[in-house]
Amino acid sequence: DAGITQSPRHKVTETGTPVTLRCHQTENHRYMYWYRQDPGHGLRLIHYSYGVKDTDKGEVSDGYSVSRSKTEDFLLTLESATSSQTSVYFCASAETFSGANVLTFGAGSRLTVL
Amino acid sequence: DQQVKQNSPSLSVQEGRISILNCDYTNSMFDYFLWYKKYPAEGPTFLISISSIKDKNEDGRFTVFLNKSAKHLSLHIVPSQPGDSAVYFCAARGDTGTASKLTFGTGTRLQVTL
Repeated sequence: DAGITQSPRHKVTETGTPVTLRCHQTENHRYMYWYRQDPGHGLRLIHYSYGVKDTDKGEVSDGYSVSRSKTEDFLLTLESATSSQTSVYFCASAETFSGANVLTFGAGSRLTVL
Repeated sequence: DQQVKQNSPSLSVQEGRISILNCDYTNSMFDYFLWYKKYPAEGPTFLISISSIKDKNEDGRFTVFLNKSAKHLSLHIVPSQPGDSAVYFCAARGDTGTASKLTFGTGTRLQVTL
Protein backbone atom coordinates (compact mmCIF):
# COMPACT_ATOMS: atom_id res chain seq x y z
CA ASP A 1 0.00 0.00 0.00
CA ALA A 2 1.49 3.31 -1.07
CA GLY A 3 1.93 6.15 1.35
CA ILE A 4 3.88 6.74 4.53
CA THR A 5 4.52 4.22 7.24
CA GLN A 6 6.01 4.97 10.63
CA SER A 7 7.63 2.53 13.01
CA PRO A 8 7.29 1.81 15.80
CA ARG A 9 3.73 3.01 16.28
CA HIS A 10 4.08 2.89 20.05
CA LYS A 11 7.15 2.91 22.24
CA VAL A 12 7.79 3.24 25.95
CA THR A 13 11.33 3.96 27.02
CA GLU A 14 13.28 5.27 29.97
CA THR A 15 14.96 8.62 30.41
CA GLY A 16 18.48 8.66 29.00
CA THR A 17 18.02 5.90 26.45
CA PRO A 18 18.44 6.48 22.70
CA VAL A 19 15.37 6.15 20.50
CA THR A 20 15.04 6.04 16.72
CA LEU A 21 11.78 6.51 14.88
CA ARG A 22 11.58 5.47 11.26
CA CYS A 23 9.57 6.93 8.43
CA HIS A 24 9.26 5.15 5.10
CA GLN A 25 7.49 6.60 2.06
CA THR A 26 6.69 5.01 -1.26
CA GLU A 27 5.66 8.22 -3.04
CA ASN A 28 9.19 9.13 -4.19
CA HIS A 29 8.66 12.55 -2.61
CA ARG A 30 11.69 14.77 -2.33
CA TYR A 31 10.67 16.60 0.86
CA MET A 32 10.16 14.93 4.23
CA TYR A 33 9.32 16.34 7.64
CA TRP A 34 9.12 15.32 11.28
CA TYR A 35 6.53 17.02 13.49
CA ARG A 36 5.53 16.47 17.09
CA GLN A 37 2.02 16.98 18.40
CA ASP A 38 1.40 18.10 21.96
CA PRO A 39 -1.73 19.42 23.69
CA GLY A 40 -1.91 23.19 23.48
CA HIS A 41 0.83 23.34 20.84
CA GLY A 42 -0.61 21.70 17.77
CA LEU A 43 1.97 20.32 15.36
CA ARG A 44 5.49 21.69 15.60
CA LEU A 45 8.25 21.08 13.08
CA ILE A 46 11.33 19.28 14.41
CA HIS A 47 13.48 18.72 11.31
CA TYR A 48 12.95 18.48 7.60
CA SER A 49 14.77 17.13 4.56
CA TYR A 50 14.93 18.57 1.06
CA GLY A 51 16.80 15.66 -0.49
CA VAL A 52 19.03 12.70 0.28
CA LYS A 53 21.56 13.78 2.91
CA ASP A 54 20.06 17.31 2.92
CA THR A 55 18.39 18.19 6.19
CA ASP A 56 17.71 21.28 8.28
CA LYS A 57 16.30 22.25 11.64
CA GLY A 58 12.75 23.19 12.43
CA GLU A 59 11.43 25.19 15.37
CA VAL A 60 11.89 22.51 18.09
CA SER A 61 15.03 20.67 17.00
CA ASP A 62 16.96 20.62 20.30
CA GLY A 63 17.57 17.04 21.47
CA TYR A 64 16.78 15.55 18.05
CA SER A 65 18.82 14.54 15.03
CA VAL A 66 17.76 13.16 11.66
CA SER A 67 19.26 11.26 8.79
CA ARG A 68 18.18 10.59 5.23
CA SER A 69 20.37 8.14 3.34
CA LYS A 70 17.69 7.16 0.82
CA THR A 71 14.79 9.05 -0.72
CA GLU A 72 12.26 6.80 0.94
CA ASP A 73 13.59 6.76 4.50
CA PHE A 74 13.80 9.56 7.08
CA LEU A 75 14.98 8.67 10.58
CA LEU A 76 14.43 10.72 13.73
CA THR A 77 16.80 10.02 16.63
CA LEU A 78 16.57 11.09 20.23
CA GLU A 79 20.14 10.60 21.46
CA SER A 80 19.14 10.61 25.14
CA ALA A 81 15.39 10.68 25.65
CA THR A 82 13.86 13.02 28.23
CA SER A 83 10.34 13.14 29.67
CA SER A 84 9.70 16.37 27.75
CA GLN A 85 10.02 14.35 24.54
CA THR A 86 6.96 12.29 25.40
CA SER A 87 4.75 13.09 22.46
CA VAL A 88 3.13 11.85 19.30
CA TYR A 89 5.49 12.13 16.35
CA PHE A 90 4.29 12.51 12.79
CA CYS A 91 6.29 12.09 9.64
CA ALA A 92 5.14 13.79 6.44
CA SER A 93 6.26 14.06 2.86
CA ALA A 94 5.65 16.46 -0.01
CA GLU A 95 6.33 16.32 -3.70
CA THR A 96 6.94 19.96 -4.44
CA PHE A 97 8.53 23.08 -3.02
CA SER A 98 6.00 25.54 -4.33
CA GLY A 99 2.27 25.88 -4.32
CA ALA A 100 0.13 24.81 -1.43
CA ASN A 101 2.74 22.28 -0.28
CA VAL A 102 0.21 19.66 0.66
CA LEU A 103 1.79 17.26 3.12
CA THR A 104 0.93 13.59 3.31
CA PHE A 105 1.20 12.36 6.89
CA GLY A 106 1.92 9.02 8.44
CA ALA A 107 -0.28 7.61 11.19
CA GLY A 108 2.04 8.75 13.97
CA SER A 109 4.37 7.21 16.56
CA ARG A 110 3.42 7.60 20.20
CA LEU A 111 6.50 7.83 22.41
CA THR A 112 6.39 7.73 26.19
CA VAL A 113 9.56 8.52 28.12
CA LEU A 114 9.40 7.44 31.76
CA ASP B 1 5.59 33.02 19.40
CA GLN B 2 2.48 31.42 17.96
CA GLN B 3 2.27 32.58 14.36
CA VAL B 4 -0.91 30.64 13.64
CA LYS B 5 -3.65 30.66 16.26
CA GLN B 6 -6.88 28.80 16.67
CA ASN B 7 -8.52 30.37 19.68
CA SER B 8 -11.40 27.94 20.02
CA PRO B 9 -10.22 24.57 21.33
CA SER B 10 -13.60 23.00 20.72
CA LEU B 11 -16.87 23.50 18.90
CA SER B 12 -20.15 21.60 19.02
CA VAL B 13 -22.64 21.84 16.16
CA GLN B 14 -25.86 20.03 15.35
CA GLU B 15 -26.01 17.82 12.31
CA GLY B 16 -27.19 19.75 9.25
CA ARG B 17 -26.11 23.12 10.62
CA ILE B 18 -23.09 25.16 9.58
CA SER B 19 -19.74 24.72 11.34
CA ILE B 20 -17.39 27.70 11.31
CA LEU B 21 -13.81 27.20 12.41
CA ASN B 22 -11.56 30.22 12.76
CA CYS B 23 -7.84 30.83 12.45
CA ASP B 24 -5.66 33.92 12.87
CA TYR B 25 -2.09 34.45 11.76
CA THR B 26 0.58 37.06 12.32
CA ASN B 27 3.10 36.55 9.51
CA SER B 28 2.15 38.49 6.37
CA MET B 29 4.70 36.46 4.34
CA PHE B 30 2.57 33.30 4.42
CA ASP B 31 1.44 32.60 0.86
CA TYR B 32 -0.85 29.58 1.22
CA PHE B 33 -3.21 28.48 3.94
CA LEU B 34 -4.43 24.95 4.45
CA TRP B 35 -6.87 23.06 6.61
CA TYR B 36 -6.17 19.54 7.82
CA LYS B 37 -8.54 17.14 9.50
CA LYS B 38 -7.41 14.60 12.07
CA TYR B 39 -9.20 11.59 13.49
CA PRO B 40 -7.92 9.87 16.66
CA ALA B 41 -4.96 7.53 16.13
CA GLU B 42 -4.52 8.71 12.54
CA GLY B 43 -2.34 11.26 10.84
CA PRO B 44 -3.76 14.59 9.66
CA THR B 45 -5.27 14.57 6.18
CA PHE B 46 -5.45 17.51 3.82
CA LEU B 47 -8.87 19.07 3.44
CA ILE B 48 -8.71 22.33 1.50
CA SER B 49 -6.29 25.17 0.77
CA ILE B 50 -6.36 28.78 -0.35
CA SER B 51 -3.77 31.00 -1.94
CA SER B 52 -3.07 34.37 -0.35
CA ILE B 53 -4.19 36.04 -3.58
CA LYS B 54 -7.69 34.60 -3.26
CA ASP B 55 -10.41 35.36 -0.74
CA LYS B 56 -12.50 32.23 -1.12
CA ASN B 57 -12.10 28.62 -2.14
CA GLU B 58 -14.87 26.07 -2.24
CA ASP B 59 -14.83 22.28 -2.43
CA GLY B 60 -18.16 20.59 -1.96
CA ARG B 61 -19.38 21.17 1.58
CA PHE B 62 -16.16 22.93 2.56
CA THR B 63 -15.39 26.60 1.94
CA VAL B 64 -12.40 28.54 3.18
CA PHE B 65 -12.49 32.33 3.42
CA LEU B 66 -9.40 34.50 3.71
CA ASN B 67 -9.35 38.08 4.99
CA LYS B 68 -5.78 39.27 4.48
CA SER B 69 -6.27 42.68 6.01
CA ALA B 70 -7.46 41.05 9.22
CA LYS B 71 -5.00 38.15 8.93
CA HIS B 72 -7.91 35.81 9.48
CA LEU B 73 -9.26 32.73 7.75
CA SER B 74 -12.23 30.54 8.41
CA LEU B 75 -13.46 27.12 7.34
CA HIS B 76 -17.18 26.68 6.75
CA ILE B 77 -18.71 23.22 6.64
CA VAL B 78 -22.26 23.10 5.31
CA PRO B 79 -24.15 20.98 6.12
CA SER B 80 -22.24 19.44 9.01
CA GLN B 81 -22.31 15.65 9.28
CA PRO B 82 -21.42 13.32 12.17
CA GLY B 83 -18.41 12.07 10.17
CA ASP B 84 -17.01 15.60 10.28
CA SER B 85 -16.32 15.17 14.00
CA ALA B 86 -12.55 15.48 14.24
CA VAL B 87 -9.77 17.89 15.14
CA TYR B 88 -9.18 20.55 12.50
CA PHE B 89 -5.80 22.19 12.12
CA CYS B 90 -5.20 25.43 10.28
CA ALA B 91 -1.75 25.68 8.65
CA ALA B 92 0.16 28.38 6.83
CA ARG B 93 2.94 27.95 4.30
CA GLY B 94 6.27 29.72 4.55
CA ASP B 95 9.46 29.36 2.55
CA THR B 96 12.75 28.43 4.24
CA GLY B 97 14.76 28.80 1.05
CA THR B 98 15.39 25.07 0.76
CA ALA B 99 11.87 23.80 1.32
CA SER B 100 8.46 25.06 2.09
CA LYS B 101 7.28 24.68 5.64
CA LEU B 102 3.85 24.53 7.19
CA THR B 103 3.20 26.22 10.53
CA PHE B 104 0.21 24.74 12.30
CA GLY B 105 -2.31 26.11 14.74
CA THR B 106 -3.24 24.31 17.95
CA GLY B 107 -6.36 22.74 16.49
CA THR B 108 -10.12 22.92 17.08
CA ARG B 109 -12.05 19.81 18.05
CA LEU B 110 -15.36 19.74 16.19
CA GLN B 111 -18.18 17.60 17.46
CA VAL B 112 -21.23 17.21 15.26
CA THR B 113 -24.19 16.02 17.28
CA LEU B 114 -27.31 14.25 16.04
